[in-house]
Amino acid sequence: GAVVSQHPSRVICKSGTSVKIECRSLDFQATTMFWYRQFPKQSLMLMATSNEGSKATYEQGVEKDKFLINHASLTLSTLTVTSAHPEDSSFYICSARDASGQGANSPLHFGNGTRLTVT
Amino acid sequence: GEDVEQSLFLSVREGDSSVINCTYTDSSSTYLYWYKQEPGAGLQLLTYIFSNMDMKQDQRLTVLLNKKDKHLSLRIADTQTGDSAIYFCAESITQAGTALIFGKGTTLSVSS
Repeated sequence: GAVVSQHPSRVICKSGTSVKIECRSLDFQATTMFWYRQFPKQSLMLMATSNEGSKATYEQGVEKDKFLINHASLTLSTLTVTSAHPEDSSFYICSARDASGQGANSPLHFGNGTRLTVT
Repeated sequence: GEDVEQSLFLSVREGDSSVINCTYTDSSSTYLYWYKQEPGAGLQLLTYIFSNMDMKQDQRLTVLLNKKDKHLSLRIADTQTGDSAIYFCAESITQAGTALIFGKGTTLSVSS
C-alpha cells in the first residue's frame, strides 16, 4: 500500500533555532501534500497545502514566514519551523494524496508524524 | 463552515462490537473516511465510503452512511485489545486538491 515517510520522528531543539521536517511519498507521486499540526488530545489542524512546483497555501492564522514549506519534487515536501519557540512544540503530521488516484477524493496517506519539542 | 463531530470516548470489552459515530455538516462531501491513530503514531487509513453508498464492509469493519442525517458510523466486530486507539472521522472538502476535515477523534478503549 501507499507509504508516506516522515523524518525525523522526534526532535528536540533550543528556542530560536530552525527545524526541518521531511515528508516523502515512497511508492507514489504526490502533486499535493498537506501539513497538519496536532495538539495533545486534539484533532488535526490543517496548516497548509503544499503544491509541487508552486507556493504553498496556508490556512488562516498560520504564519507562512514561520512555517516554510517547500515541495520541490513529486515525492518530497519539507516543513521548516523557523526561529522555533516553546509554543511551537507539537506533533506535526504530513499527508499525501496519490496523484494517479481519484483526484480530490483519493484517500490521504499519512506519515508517522514528528514530535517537536522546543526548549 | 465545515464541522465534524464525534463522541470522545468509547469503552468496550474484548470480543464485543464497537460502534463509533460521527456527524458532519458539508452535504456536498463526496467521500467520508475513517482513520486510526495509535499512540505517538501517524494516521492509518482504515476505510472510506463514497457518498452514494449506504454501507461498506471490509472484514471486521462496517461503515454505515446516512446521508440525509449526515451521520456516519464505524462498527468493529469482535473488538480486540489491539483495536485500542483513537479513531478519526473525516470528510473531504469539495474543491479539488484540498485536504480533509477531521473530527476530534474517539478514543476506543478495549478491556480484556
